[in-house]
Amino acid sequence: TQLLEQSPQFLSIQEGENLTVYCNSSSVFSSLQWYRQEPGEGPVLLVTVVTGGEVKKLKRLTFQFGDARKDSSLHITAAQTGDTGLYLCAGALLTTDSWGKLQFGAGTQVVVTP
Amino acid sequence: DARVTQTPRHKVTEMGQEVTMRCQPILGHNTVFWYRQTMMQGLELLAYFRNRAPLDDSGMPKDRFSAEMPDATLATLKIQPSEPRDSAVYFCASGLGGNSYNEQFFGPGTRLTVL
Repeated sequence: TQLLEQSPQFLSIQEGENLTVYCNSSSVFSSLQWYRQEPGEGPVLLVTVVTGGEVKKLKRLTFQFGDARKDSSLHITAAQTGDTGLYLCAGALLTTDSWGKLQFGAGTQVVVTP
Repeated sequence: DARVTQTPRHKVTEMGQEVTMRCQPILGHNTVFWYRQTMMQGLELLAYFRNRAPLDDSGMPKDRFSAEMPDATLATLKIQPSEPRDSAVYFCASGLGGNSYNEQFFGPGTRLTVL
């Protein structure tokens, strides 16, 4: 079982629509990252959040870290075909010996069609 | 443009053969991670290093897998002997451990097919 549960597993939308991807856990994280992975490539870091309640915006992408630092969401406004990819959330557990080790969610496959 | 590099990008081999995958982490990064990604299991952590010392390799099948960092610019992952179930994409990532951000930067991966 994964420490970080992502939902939905798959999302197909049309260009211009909005979407939200969720990342939930019962564990507390010192930091949480969102990555996007395209076919044939490695995951690319999009954002890191470290403070409970933090909201970060990256153009049309909005990332939120839950107040209790157990969950996060990614919202995309007016999706474009270039947003297609596998979105992975990952978090560092609040332990002293993690030293950069991340727990990854299973990912949400987003497909944006023209 | 600092990035993690991995070689080879693709490897096809026969069952029983030795496979060696190489990774050059970003200069200055002190942590290196090896992951395996499959459709069924997603991204699994195999092993990771801090300042070239192995910190955790509990995710790795010990009888056939080994991971080393001969120097700060090279990390290797070896499989001997390889089996068809080892077919997957193997990623190396590096980062600056010890700060609050815990960010990791991934290489392009090695796609391994064991026949």
